[in-house]
Amino acid sequence: GNSVTQMEGPVTLSEEAFLTINCTYTATGYPSLFWYVQYPGEGLQLLLKATKADDKGSNKGFEATYRKETTSFHLEKGSVQVSDSAVYFCALPLGGSEKLVFGKGTKLTVNP
Amino acid sequence: NAGVTQTPKFQVLKTGQSMTLQCAQDMNHEYMSWYRQDPGMGLRLIHYSVGAGITDQGEVPNGYNVSRSTTEDFPLRLLSAAPSQTSVYFCASSYGQGFGTEAFFGQGTRLTVV
Repeated sequence: GNSVTQMEGPVTLSEEAFLTINCTYTATGYPSLFWYVQYPGEGLQLLLKATKADDKGSNKGFEATYRKETTSFHLEKGSVQVSDSAVYFCALPLGGSEKLVFGKGTKLTVNP
Repeated sequence: NAGVTQTPKFQVLKTGQSMTLQCAQDMNHEYMSWYRQDPGMGLRLIHYSVGAGITDQGEVPNGYNVSRSTTEDFPLRLLSAAPSQTSVYFCASSYGQGFGTEAFFGQGTRLTVV
């Protein structure tokens, strides 16, 4: 079945540093891929998504490209801010359903 | 627009007690689900529903019951609480087209079983 493997961290960066969080997937076909973010004390919210191979999702300065050759969907941001401190989850749906499979999450802390 | 509303936000139970976690959404979404979040485990699916009157088990259903009598509500019942059910519980909903659409999450319920 579909699954994701996500870099677990935690990751600690200084403000304005470059961020990469790795995510690789195993899937039948080419499902949509998602990154969700969970800020402290809150529920998850969609950060970005890509619906087909070679698509690039972007939002709030974050980007991720759907790469079928390497089965990856790495999250990147060129210059992180303290406000980006959160837990980030890579996710994809089980085939033909709305059920989401999540990675274990990567906690990012950005220091001023 | 309230989105997905979960109550309560915090709860402490004694072992063996039962309770219901409430979840309501106002987006007319067909698909609703319950997850639990534990350190180092990510989110694991407990139960889900593809529409009123239809529910099914997820990855970790034991000890939990659900029902879906209306499109809006999807309560999660703990039958006899155990310390292993100490966790943060999230309810989510999505439009439900069968190939993965944006899921909207509630704020979570932090449950402690002593």
